[in-house]
Amino acid sequence: GAGVSQTPSNKVTEKGKYVELRCDPISGHTALYWYRQSLGQGPEFLIYFQGTGAADDSGLPNDRFFAVRPEGSVSTLKIQRTERGDSAVYLCASSLNSLQTQYFGPGTRLLVL
Amino acid sequence: DAKTTQPPSMDCAEGRAANLPCNHSTISGNEYVYWYRQIHSQGPQYIIHGLKNNETNEMASLIITEDRKSSTLILPHATLRDTAVYYCIVRAGDDKIIFGKGTRLHILP
Repeated sequence: GAGVSQTPSNKVTEKGKYVELRCDPISGHTALYWYRQSLGQGPEFLIYFQGTGAADDSGLPNDRFFAVRPEGSVSTLKIQRTERGDSAVYLCASSLNSLQTQYFGPGTRLLVL
Repeated sequence: DAKTTQPPSMDCAEGRAANLPCNHSTISGNEYVYWYRQIHSQGPQYIIHGLKNNETNEMASLIITEDRKSSTLILPHATLRDTAVYYCIVRAGDDKIIFGKGTRLHILP
């Protein structure tokens, strides 16, 4: 079946601009996670949704980062006033529920110039 | 911080078994051992997980010591496509994943 998909696969933006990154989880998965991966590092947790609500947003680095999942399926990660330090691969994962294995998408590579 | 320790890199000859070690001496009773791998420019790929018993699937085997303080991922017949960074993770059932730096496995032709 279809896995987790993320769009766009690559995004180049200028410092100070606003970006949105989209995640389509595996159908029927209620839990959805966002991670960020900088070059040479392992992924770092950002936020986790159970259904429509953010169950844990402790990994969001500051208030420029926000994520939504209004209908409990697709999620959008929003970054305001982007900075060069936001450049990274943003990964999305989903699981049947919070107790089950997480499956990752291919990621969105964000470059802030 | 990650609760696991892995060697930064390993080499394995193509066709041989690759044995990747992981130490998790502070693992709690309700934490599972998970393994993921990440091939260059792709998202992490789930491999296998276990709690106490050894596990095997079509990709790999997971051997967990009796005291659960360490484990070994075994790829029985490594191929060039197994070249990747392998992450060992301990995770309670409903917790987020905390990744360490993993082991960079090089398969040598």
